[in-house]
Amino acid sequence: EVVMTQSPATLSVSPGESASLSCRASQSVSVNLAWYQQKPGQAPRLLIYASSTRATGIPDRFSGSGSGTEFTLTISSLQSEDFAVYYCQQYNDRPPITFGQGTRLEI
Amino acid sequence: QVQLQESGPGLVKPSETLSLTCSVSGASMNDFYWSWIRQSPGKGLEWIGNILSTHYNPSYNPSLKSRVTISIDTSTNQFSLRLTSVTPADTAVYYCARRAERYFVFDFWGQGALVTVSS
Repeated sequence: EVVMTQSPATLSVSPGESASLSCRASQSVSVNLAWYQQKPGQAPRLLIYASSTRATGIPDRFSGSGSGTEFTLTISSLQSEDFAVYYCQQYNDRPPITFGQGTRLEI
Repeated sequence: QVQLQESGPGLVKPSETLSLTCSVSGASMNDFYWSWIRQSPGKGLEWIGNILSTHYNPSYNPSLKSRVTISIDTSTNQFSLRLTSVTPADTAVYYCARRAERYFVFDFWGQGALVTVSS
């Protein structure tokens, strides 16, 4: 199965700044990669799919890029509600689809 | 608005069977794939499997395939998960989710159900 590795495990950023989160696949997943946001006590929320396409209702301060094995989620002008855990997910090689272990974005 | 809600026992004894049901509203079950995903501190998010309808075979995570059954009842707008021979390692929050129409990503999720495996 494809192993997804996210870095860093925790990222500390101030409100108003930008954050870049990394996701690496153990083999090429083309652009078949998604990003989710999860807040405490809630289910994950789909942010990005197909590496760079924002899901319905997602603000344009969230952007995704990458292909193959290297992907980045960039959040610009961080707002208080953006501090959460972010997961990447590959769906190129399945079953199974696999998730990264998450990056915690903290103030 | 699509809504999903998990239901089932919150405590299961080791070696017994975990059973959960997901009730769906706001979407036609025949038009989408429906999935189970679990989340534990030790293993993070883990896809368990998905089902389209009663006319197609479900797809399962190979690591769980020998113990998992996912079924669907479109007449009641529900789909279900059965996981046999559970151990404490199966303790997790179990989510049901809808797979998006064109991509193997999950656009609607239930709130999650915590299932603890303990005697």
